[in-house]
Amino acid sequence: SQKIEQNSEALNIQEGKTATLTCNYTNYSPAYLQWYRQDPGRGPVFLLLIRENEKEKRKERLKVTFDTTLKQSLFHITASQPADSATYLCALNQAGTALIFGKGTTLSVSS
Amino acid sequence: SAVISQKPSRDICQRGTSLTIQCQVDSQVTMMFWYRQQPGQSLTLIATANQGSEATYESGFVIDKFPISRPNLTFSTLTVSNMSPEDSSIYLCSVDRVQLVDTQYFGPGTRLTVL
Repeated sequence: SQKIEQNSEALNIQEGKTATLTCNYTNYSPAYLQWYRQDPGRGPVFLLLIRENEKEKRKERLKVTFDTTLKQSLFHITASQPADSATYLCALNQAGTALIFGKGTTLSVSS
Repeated sequence: SAVISQKPSRDICQRGTSLTIQCQVDSQVTMMFWYRQQPGQSLTLIATANQGSEATYESGFVIDKFPISRPNLTFSTLTVSNMSPEDSSIYLCSVDRVQLVDTQYFGPGTRLTVL
């Protein structure tokens, strides 16, 4: 069955540094890979989607890469701020099919 | 963007009882989704609710345990039946984001504790 692993449950970094989160998957060939942010007591919020034929996608301080050979996505937050502290979820799917989520990585940015 | 509300936001229930969770969207949507997020686990899709037809359940979830209603294009309910402590979880509803296919808006979730 499909399996998604996010590199660690928790990541602690200092303000201003770049946070890098990893999403690895097995037994699956997704058409799309998505990243969501989830704050405590709230539902996930969509951040970025990258397609299987795309290598990199950027949005403001966020950058996502997608390597279908390594079966891995990297999610970068540059110039991190305490307000970036949250849980970040990776999700995969084929077009029109259900999203498969990872367990998430909780990022803490200290000032 | 779609605004999704859920009721109740949290509840504490006794074993063997049932709880109905409501999901309201501020615009008409074709499909609504129900997820479960157990402590330390990933979001898992329970079922997809289409207006005017039976919900489609994912493997491991059955209608008798999680009956779903979808009376119109802005509203759905999920009932957690005959609850046990293992049903303690956050339950979330979501809808498709029309701006980008296959991405979703999520509601705030309902935190359920079963004693």
